[in-house]
Formats: sequence, structure tokens, C-alpha cells
Amino acid sequence: KQEVTQIPAALSVPEGENLVLNCSFTDSAIYNLQWFRQDPGKGLTSLLLIQSSQREQTSGRLNASLDKSSGRSTLYIAASQPGDSATYLCAVVNSGNTPLVFGKGTRLSVIA
Amino acid sequence: DAGITQSPRYKITETGRQVTLMCHQTWSHSYMFWYRQDLGHGLRLIYYSAAADITDKGEVPDGYVVSRSKTENFPLTLESATRSQTSVYFCASSEVISYEQYFGPGTRLTVT
Repeated sequence: KQEVTQIPAALSVPEGENLVLNCSFTDSAIYNLQWFRQDPGKGLTSLLLIQSSQREQTSGRLNASLDKSSGRSTLYIAASQPGDSATYLCAVVNSGNTPLVFGKGTRLSVIA
Repeated sequence: DAGITQSPRYKITETGRQVTLMCHQTWSHSYMFWYRQDLGHGLRLIYYSAAADITDKGEVPDGYVVSRSKTENFPLTLESATRSQTSVYFCASSEVISYEQYFGPGTRLTVT
């Protein structure tokens, strides 16, 4: 059974710092990996999707990397801003027609 | 309005009552999903549907019933609500099960 872990559960950084959020998964036979953002009291918003054949994806100040063999992904946020404060969740899709398996998320606070 | 909507946004009900949470999407996505989100457990899949009249169990289906008579609607029914079903419920949709999902704003359900 696929398990997805995100460490740390919470992170607080000063504005302007570059930061890395971590995601690990137990079964490396994934189809893709996705990063989501969730603001308090809201639904999830998709940020980045990395196919299993890709090593990274970039969107603005966000860069997600994928190392399938080690079962890890990182989300790099450059020059963090208070507006980046949210919970970030990663999720994986195993090979085949299976639904997403989510991690519990990392709650990020960027302090002005 | 385009997108995915959920109703009601907030609901308080008593133990033993039947409750139905509604989900509607305007994209004609094939797949629809129901999740519950709880502190300490993260996001867990309840049921999902690949098309009208096709549904499948997720990780935590007990105590829930779903139906999908139309592509755009995917209601979730708690036949006899229990306090353990107090949670925030999210509906999501996607064109392909393995591609990015679009989430609704959530329904906060309290069972007293």
C-alpha cells in the first residue's frame, strides 16, 4: 500500500527566504506526483504535476523535483512571501488507473 | 458559474439523521471524488466515480452512499450520521483519474 509522508508538519520562515518542502513515498512505481496548496477554510489548488519520466517542473517561484528511485520529491519556493502561507500537500498516483494518495501536508507560515 | 460547487457549505445534524452533501461540476469531467479531511488523518478518499452509474470505494467508504446518475452531479449521503463523521468534506473532479484534480470549497459537517 502506497504511503506518502511529508516532513515537517509545520514550518515557519522569515519573508524572503528560499525554502524546501519534502515529500516521500514508499512505492516508487508511481505514474505521477502532484503538489497542491490549501488555504485555510478552502479547497485544494493544484500547483505542479510531475510525470514519472520527468525530473522537475517549474511554475514561477515554485520548482518541484522528483527522484523516483529514492521515493522523494521536493517543492522549492524561492523568495518566500507572506502570501505563500498555506498548507502544501503532495500526492502520488501509482501506475494504472488508481486515485491519488495524499500526504498530510506541511503547514507553511511566512513571517513578514 | 463555471467550476465545481458544493452545498451546503456548513451543516449541523444530529446522530442518526440522514444527510446528503451535493457536488456539481460544469466541466463535464469524467471522474469525480469525495474526500474527508480530518486533523491527524489528512485527506482520505471515500468514494470516486469514473462516469455516470460507475462508482468505486476509496479508503473509508463505510457509512457513506454515493450515486451518479448525471455526469455533472455526485451526491454523497450519510445514511445514519455518527459523531465520527464530523469532518470537512471535499468534492473534486478530473478528466483523467491520474491528472490534476479540481477541488470544491468543502462542506463542514458537524454531527451532534
